[in-house]
Amino acid sequence: NFILTQPHAVSESPGKTVVISCTRSSGSIASNYVQWYQQRPGSSPTTVIFEDNKRPSGVPDRFSGSIDSSSNSASLTISGLKTEDEADYYCQSYDLIVVFGGGTKLTVL
Amino acid sequence: QVQLVESGTGVVKPGGSLRLACAASGFTFSDYYMIWIRQAPGKGLEWVAYISSSGGVMFYADSVKGRFTISRDNGKNLLYLQMNSLRAEDTAVYYCARPSLPGLYYHMDVWGRGTTVTVSS
Repeated sequence: NFILTQPHAVSESPGKTVVISCTRSSGSIASNYVQWYQQRPGSSPTTVIFEDNKRPSGVPDRFSGSIDSSSNSASLTISGLKTEDEADYYCQSYDLIVVFGGGTKLTVL
Repeated sequence: QVQLVESGTGVVKPGGSLRLACAASGFTFSDYYMIWIRQAPGKGLEWVAYISSSGGVMFYADSVKGRFTISRDNGKNLLYLQMNSLRAEDTAVYYCARPSLPGLYYHMDVWGRGTTVTVSS
């Protein structure tokens, strides 16, 4: 089994760009798709990126995803930050089991 | 519309048992894998288990293996999680989730609102 490691917290100002990383401990990051979920306090998670870099309908194009085999990591980039983007973000991948990263608290201040 | 509604909220003593249910509607339940995910208070998401569309394949997180059983009733559009030998660390909100496409188990695009399980003496 593998683990996904995310920074505990990041913060940035409105209008700026933030990148949240997700590093896979073993096995190739490219072997299995990575998803990213947003969770606001008191709410269920929702998908912002699936299959590495695809956006569900309704998710603004300010959200983008990528993977980097050299660092064995995935990244979620949010540009033009808005206060409404403040939330917890979780990466997730799988093999025979499903694995979530520990989550990153994004503060937009 | 597609909906998942969990039930089974309860307070249980350590060592006790509880069964959660998830009622699905708005889609062909029997086509989809289904998944349970939990979130302890103030903590992150933790995958618990998934079950194939027919119910013939189940996988569990190591933390619950041998204590929890996932099952489904495709005739009633219900997903279950039988939880035995409960521990304090099982205290969490339990979410039922559906993957985005039949045959997948790796992208959960429909989530219930969750049901709370508290294990305490």
